[in-house]
Amino acid sequence: ETGVTQTPRHLVMGMTNKKSLKCEQHLGHNAMYWYKQSAKKPLELMFVYNFKEQTENNSVPSRFSPECPNSSHLFLHLHTLQPEDSALYLCASSQVRATNTGELFFGEGSRLTVL
Amino acid sequence: SQKIEQNSEALNIQEGKTATLTCNYTNYSPAYLQWYRQDPGRGPVFLLLIRENEKEKRKERLKVTFDTTLKQSLFHITASQPADSATYLCAALSGGYNKLIFGAGTRLAVHP
Repeated sequence: ETGVTQTPRHLVMGMTNKKSLKCEQHLGHNAMYWYKQSAKKPLELMFVYNFKEQTENNSVPSRFSPECPNSSHLFLHLHTLQPEDSALYLCASSQVRATNTGELFFGEGSRLTVL
Repeated sequence: SQKIEQNSEALNIQEGKTATLTCNYTNYSPAYLQWYRQDPGRGPVFLLLIRENEKEKRKERLKVTFDTTLKQSLFHITASQPADSATYLCAALSGGYNKLIFGAGTRLAVHP
């Protein structure tokens, strides 16, 4: 148990569907992240939220829409995805401070398959 | 652009030996490097952080070095065990606030 919970763990969707991934952290952290992990590629940073405000959007297509209603919850809304969007989507959190070391606490990931 | 590279995709070693994994960075000088472990189907787990002014850091059987001249970090697991088999990821901040970038990882297999 890492303190970061992601649901669902597995998701299969068609290209015309709308679905959402959910992430909740129980660590009292003030920053949350979405990463995409495809086979044999480095983790790709998608979005960063600090104190509920989005501070990073790493040129992510608009078919991915993040939402951070509070410091403990993060969503990734998915709409008209492509098969190449199939990947493991990882949520992470960290505690931001003046001497921030930036270590991330990851959830177990949501395995997404787009048909 | 700033890059983190882990040259070996896979490393196979015998139980009891020392595993050494390499992480190189280019086009910038990170203030620190981090190492994570990832098991299949799981999220990465933080292991160690080393700052640029630290030559070496240890934690139990793990040792990390940071050579700013070579722009390289080495990650060692001594007296390796089959339970150490996993993918190990190197990461560093890249410019932006809290923007952590990762290498592709090295998959370590420790054989009995």
